[in-house]
Amino acid sequence: GQQVMQIPQYQHVQEGEDFTTYCNSSTTLSNIQWYKQRPGGHPVFLIQLVKSGEVKKQKRLTFQFGEAKKNSSLHITATQTTDVGTYFCAGGDGTASKLTFGTGTRLQVTL
Amino acid sequence: DAGITQSPRHKVTETGTPVTLRCHQTENHRYMYWYRQDPGHGLRLIHYSYGVKDTDKGEVSDGYSVSRSKTEDFLLTLESATSSQTSVYFCATHGQGAGNEQFFGPGTRLTVL
Repeated sequence: GQQVMQIPQYQHVQEGEDFTTYCNSSTTLSNIQWYKQRPGGHPVFLIQLVKSGEVKKQKRLTFQFGEAKKNSSLHITATQTTDVGTYFCAGGDGTASKLTFGTGTRLQVTL
Repeated sequence: DAGITQSPRHKVTETGTPVTLRCHQTENHRYMYWYRQDPGHGLRLIHYSYGVKDTDKGEVSDGYSVSRSKTEDFLLTLESATSSQTSVYFCATHGQGAGNEQFFGPGTRLTVL
């Protein structure tokens, strides 16, 4: 079946540093979504990418979808303590509205 | 949030007992999902539903069953709980609309002793 891996599993940065998490799928994806889960909370949708090579920005967050639609990345510029949480990518295979979630990257930000 | 509630929010049970978790939504969303979240595994799909009485298995369905008799309710049953089913369980819904995002409930923390 489809597998989605994320690296790193965990990253600890100082506030103001940049952060990137990478997502890789074993199969071509129809779309990719990104979610953020705060400690003790539930996943919350951030964005969806659909097109090959697509790049989208949300303030300090930049999302990319690879040309082959098998990988994606999330880059946060100048992290803040409010960025703390676990970031998940989730790949869609285009059928039955199912998503395969990545293993997640836990981000810790300290002052 | 999309008006999703889960009950109970916390439960401790013993091995071998049946357990039912409930997910309730108020948005009339067609699709509903049950995931489990474990360290190092992310979110794994257990079962999902694409309409009343229409359900299908996800990647980790063994030991679980589901039912959806009404649009708003999706029940997850652990037929005979085992310690390996200790986890946090999330329900999610998905409407048909822009972004196709999934909306998650607050989660149920289940401990099987």
